[in-house]
This record gives sequence, C-alpha cells and structure tokens, in this order.
Amino acid sequence: SAVISQKPSRDICQRGTSLTIQCQVDSQVTMMFWYRQQPGQSLTLIATANQGSEATYESGFVIDKFPISRPNLTFSTLTVSNMSPEDSSIYLCSVEDPGARKAAVDTQYFGPGTRLTVL
Amino acid sequence: GENVEQHPSTLSVQEGDSAVIKCTYSDSASNYFPWYKQELGKRPQLIIDIRSNVGEKKDQRIAVTLNKTAKHFSLHITETQPEDSAVYFCAARGWGDMRFGAGTRLTVKP
Repeated sequence: SAVISQKPSRDICQRGTSLTIQCQVDSQVTMMFWYRQQPGQSLTLIATANQGSEATYESGFVIDKFPISRPNLTFSTLTVSNMSPEDSSIYLCSVEDPGARKAAVDTQYFGPGTRLTVL
Repeated sequence: GENVEQHPSTLSVQEGDSAVIKCTYSDSASNYFPWYKQELGKRPQLIIDIRSNVGEKKDQRIAVTLNKTAKHFSLHITETQPEDSAVYFCAARGWGDMRFGAGTRLTVKP
C-alpha cells in the first residue's frame, strides 16, 4: 500500500489564523481525499482533490474556508482558514491505492492525521 | 447520496468471545465495503473489505458478510483478544465517494 505522510502532526493555533496541512505520498495517485474527524466521531469527507482540476467539496464545506492545492500526483495541501475553536479536529488525507485500479478494488488508505487545536 | 448506519455504537466482550458489528447502507449502487480499525491516536487501518459480487470473505479471525438484497454487511471477529480493542468503522462506496458509519467502540476484557 502507499506510504502517506502528513505535516504537521499537530498544532495549536490562535483564532483567526490559518494553517496549511501537507500530505505527501510515496507513489503517484490519481485521487486524494481530505477528511475531518472530530473527537469521538466518524470520518467526514471535506473534499476530493484530483490533480489538474479544482477540488470537489462536500456539502457544508467551502473553498474559501478550506482551500486545497494539488500540484502533482504525489502531493496535496489543505488550508484551514480563519480558524475558530470549532475547527479543532483531526484532519486526515487519504488516497486510493495506486495499484487498486488495476485490480478494480477501491481501497483507500489514510495518512497519520494532523491534530489541530484552535484556542 | 449514500447513508451508512452502524450498530452497536459500543460493544464489550470477554476475551475469547466473538464480536459482531452490523452496518446498513442506502445506495443500491454501492459495490465496495471496507472495514477500518482505529486505535486511539492512530490512523484508520483497513482490516478487510468485500465487493458486491462476493457474499463472504474471511481472513484468519476476521470475516465479513454481505447481503446485497437487504443492503447490510457485518464484521465478525472470533476468539477476540485485548489487542482487538479499538474503534471499528464500516464504509460503503458506489459511484460516489466513500461514506463511513459512525463507528463501534469494541472493548475486549481480559
């Protein structure tokens, strides 16, 4: 499976500031996903990021608040803008196994997550 | 869109007993059903998955069953061990994105 890393692993930020989270994959992947996981909760999809096109956002998430970049097939960033305490959460990137499409299996793997605390 | 419901939310079993977690989904077009295990402070890890052309899949102590007609699938863990304690998430995917259940916190008591 793909090896996924995220930076930073955690951060404590002040209200009103922005944080950019990086996701790096060790192989080229077509689809990358950004999820939010609030404490004790399930995984909520924020957006899907494909290289060469605008990210597709889920209901309740907007580009102005969560701008995403996808400059190439191994990297993506998610920015949490104008943060408030309600944005405190774990943010995870996820990718489809690059080999999965050949096997027609839609396996998704997750990065280690970024734990964000907004004061 | 897809809606996935998962039960129970918490499950406590004695070591050596079996544990069963059930999920239902709404979109009949869903054709891929993975299960993830998430230990405290760690990322979700894929433990087993099943596609819609298969009714059951087994991997050592873990098995998943799928009933497409009823639109439900289940995770079965046999001979549970304390290290099986974690939160388990089911998910379903069709033409759209992966949708996750709310999670089941499994506690295996030694």
